[in-house]
Amino acid sequence: QVQLQQWGAGLVRPSETLSLSCGVYGGSFSDYYWSWIRQPPGKGLEWIGEIDHRRTTNYNPSLESRLLISIDMSKNQFSLKLSSVTAADTAVYFCARYQLGIGLDYWGLGTLVTVSS
Amino acid sequence: SSELTQDPVVSVALGQTVRITCQGDSLRYYYASWYQQKPGQAPILVIYGKNNRPSGIPDRFSGSSAGNTASLTITGAQAEDEADYYCNSRDSSGNHVRLFGTGTTVTVL
Repeated sequence: QVQLQQWGAGLVRPSETLSLSCGVYGGSFSDYYWSWIRQPPGKGLEWIGEIDHRRTTNYNPSLESRLLISIDMSKNQFSLKLSSVTAADTAVYFCARYQLGIGLDYWGLGTLVTVSS
Repeated sequence: SSELTQDPVVSVALGQTVRITCQGDSLRYYYASWYQQKPGQAPILVIYGKNNRPSGIPDRFSGSSAGNTASLTITGAQAEDEADYYCNSRDSSGNHVRLFGTGTTVTVL
């Protein structure tokens, strides 16, 4: 059974960098896109971006200038860094596995990140 | 356009059928996947591809697509189906960008 466990700082100051990581337990790490999605309080889901085992990334154009998604194959984990955050970046951040032809089939539980001084 | 549009709220009587739609240019070229999200929980995948259900998803959930519209149908809605539902697909720009729909809240009366 595949499990995604995510961790990172829950409070980030404005203008600083949000950092989250997601560990993947069970299943292959090489055959999927590893994704980040966020959800502001009371709002809908927003796709942030994804990375595969070849380190190929795809980013949401609205976030691309501030975004870095990386992967560590030796630890079966991937990470998100979002720089220059503002209150608008306050959201629950989810990591998830994307399988081609299927979709986002496994999700982490989510991490609430609040941007506040 | 780079948007997937859904009706904000849909209501259905217990045991009746409800259809949730998702409209966008990219749906002419790519299938949508559908996600159910209950309060305080991560979304779960309920439909993908032409009309496929992951293991454990009840067969009252089904999917279809025509033109620029994808649909999720719940046949015989149950109280536990009350949730938010989101479609997801690729952007039509040709870039590898994925989009979520605006979301539909389903209320079971």
